[in-house]
Formats: sequence, C-alpha cells, structure tokens
Amino acid sequence: AQSVSQHNHHVILSEAASLELGCNYSYGGTVNLFWYVQYPGQHLQLLLKYFSGDPLVKGIKGFEAEFIKSKFSFNLRKPSVQWSDTAEYFCAVRSLTSNTGKLIFGQGTTLQVKP
Amino acid sequence: NAGVTQTPKFQVLKTGQSMTLQCAQDMNHNSMYWYRQDPGMGLRLIYYSASEGTTDKGEVPNGYNVSRLNKREFSLRLESAAPSQTSVYFCASSEMAGNEQFFGPGTRLTVL
Repeated sequence: AQSVSQHNHHVILSEAASLELGCNYSYGGTVNLFWYVQYPGQHLQLLLKYFSGDPLVKGIKGFEAEFIKSKFSFNLRKPSVQWSDTAEYFCAVRSLTSNTGKLIFGQGTTLQVKP
Repeated sequence: NAGVTQTPKFQVLKTGQSMTLQCAQDMNHNSMYWYRQDPGMGLRLIYYSASEGTTDKGEVPNGYNVSRLNKREFSLRLESAAPSQTSVYFCASSEMAGNEQFFGPGTRLTVL
C-alpha cells in the first residue's frame, strides 16, 4: 500500500540547533511533495512544496527540503531553529497517477524547541 | 476573505447521535476534502470532492457521508456516532485537484 513515513515522532532541540526531519514515501511513480506545519491551536499551513525542477526547495520561515528521488525521500531542514518553530510537522505526498488531488500524510513529527 | 471556515469548533455527542459538520470556502476552489486527525496517525482522508457534483471515498469513509451542496460548501455527516469517531476533523480546499490545499481551523468532536 502507498504510504508516507516520518521517522521522528518527537524531536526536542535547543534554540539555534539545526533541524532535519525525515520523510520517506512508497510511491513508485511521479509525485508532488508537501510539508505542512501546525502551530499549537492552529490549523495546518503549507511550509513548502515540490512539484518539479530544482530538488532543493525553499519555503517560509527559513525552511527548506530536498527531494532525493533515488531514496524516495523529502527531508525538511532548517539551519537554526527558534522557539517559535515549536509545532507539529507533516509530510504529505500526492501521486500523479491519480487526478484526484488526494494527499497521503505521514504520522507527523512534534518539534519542541527549548529557549 | 475568510478562507476555509468550519462549524462547530467543538462538539460532544452521545453514542448513536447524529450530526453534520459544516465547511465552506470563499476562494472559488473546485476541490474540497475532509480529514480526521488522530494522535500518532497524521491526517487521514475521509471523503473528497474533486469538483462540484462529485464525491469519492478516501482512506477511512466508513461511518460517514458527505454532501457537496454547491461549489462553496462541503458537509460531513455522522449518522450514528461511535466513540471511535472521536477526533479532530479538518476540511480543506484546493483550486484544482493536486494544488496546495488550504485547511480550516478544525472541529474537535468527542463521542461518549
């Protein structure tokens, strides 16, 4: 079955530490990839997306992600986290063999940044 | 421009009761979605509507029905609520299927 896996369920970092959150998917064909963030008490917001082109994509708030096709991965990175980055992060994948727009989400990673 | 709105924000039901969750978007989007969010499981798609007049099942449709009332509105109905349906429900919309999805604020539902 098609799936999305986020390896880190709960990450605790100090401010200014570097962040990398893993995301792997099991689709064989062409995909669109997304990272969403959910701040405490808020709804999901798009951080960044990859459709095609440069596999290194930059998003809002200093986040970036790299699509590595050979590894079926789309890891999220930030060089220096802030307390305000405390949130839950979701990776999502859409297979282009489907024209429905259905996203499959990973389980989510809770990031806690200590001041 | 309110984006995606959902009502109610919170709801407590008893087992067997029915209710409808409302969702509306003012972005003239074609596609709309209903997800449930449970701890450790991410978001799972319940139903979606790729365009006005069409609806299709997602990953976890059992126990739910939907209505795409018009282009703006997409409601989710629980005919006979069960404790397993305790969850946070999110509605989302996108301009076209496959584009970025915009999410509503969610409805926290508890079924006793």
